[in-house]
Amino acid sequence: GEDVEQSLFLSVREGDSSVINCTYTDSSSTYLYWYKQEPGAGLQLLTYIFSNMDMKQDQRLTVLLNKKDKHLSLRIADTQTGDSAIYFCAESIGAGSYQLTFGKGTKLSVIP
Amino acid sequence: EAGVTQFPSHSVIEKGQTVTLRCDPISGHDNLYWYRRVMGKEIKFLLHFVKESKQDESGMPNNRFLAERTGGTYSTLKVQPAELEDSGVYFCASSPRGSPNTGELFFGEGSRLTVL
Repeated sequence: GEDVEQSLFLSVREGDSSVINCTYTDSSSTYLYWYKQEPGAGLQLLTYIFSNMDMKQDQRLTVLLNKKDKHLSLRIADTQTGDSAIYFCAESIGAGSYQLTFGKGTKLSVIP
Repeated sequence: EAGVTQFPSHSVIEKGQTVTLRCDPISGHDNLYWYRRVMGKEIKFLLHFVKESKQDESGMPNNRFLAERTGGTYSTLKVQPAELEDSGVYFCASSPRGSPNTGELFFGEGSRLTVL
């Protein structure tokens, strides 16, 4: 099976909340990340969470980590059309690890 | 400050030909990485340079792929001869020395390779 899994598509209305889910298999993951790729651009780190944390909030973004279930989610409050992008979940193993394991990405479409 | 730049943005070649992709990391970044995303698959790690040295090339698929980083600045990734399954987007990323403690890699826009 794949190491990191996420649904491929999500469609929400502008102003609603978006929740993008991700599951991973490696229990020794140290950091988990959300990268964002806008059309025609590279991947940009959106936020990350250390594996000993349950939640991290940064303005409109909330990351929840359930280590027992190996489940990571990204909630975007008050979703805007500018949030339309592909969101990649990724994990790394070990402090300072540069080998990121990515999911296939979830394409978020925001309907005006 | 300029970000990671990659060239070409898109390359279309025939099976058996050679292609060279180039990556210019952010100035001063010692770490340089190559990743690729084959159609419909995940983004996969290929290799990691620290300056001009290959730190880890465990993700390189086979010996048709050759990566170099002469002088520890820009890097090239050559595919020779190209096969159909090499089609995909090749991402380059960089990070400063001593990182990434938090895993932040700075990615380029990617070079799309299409092998016909």
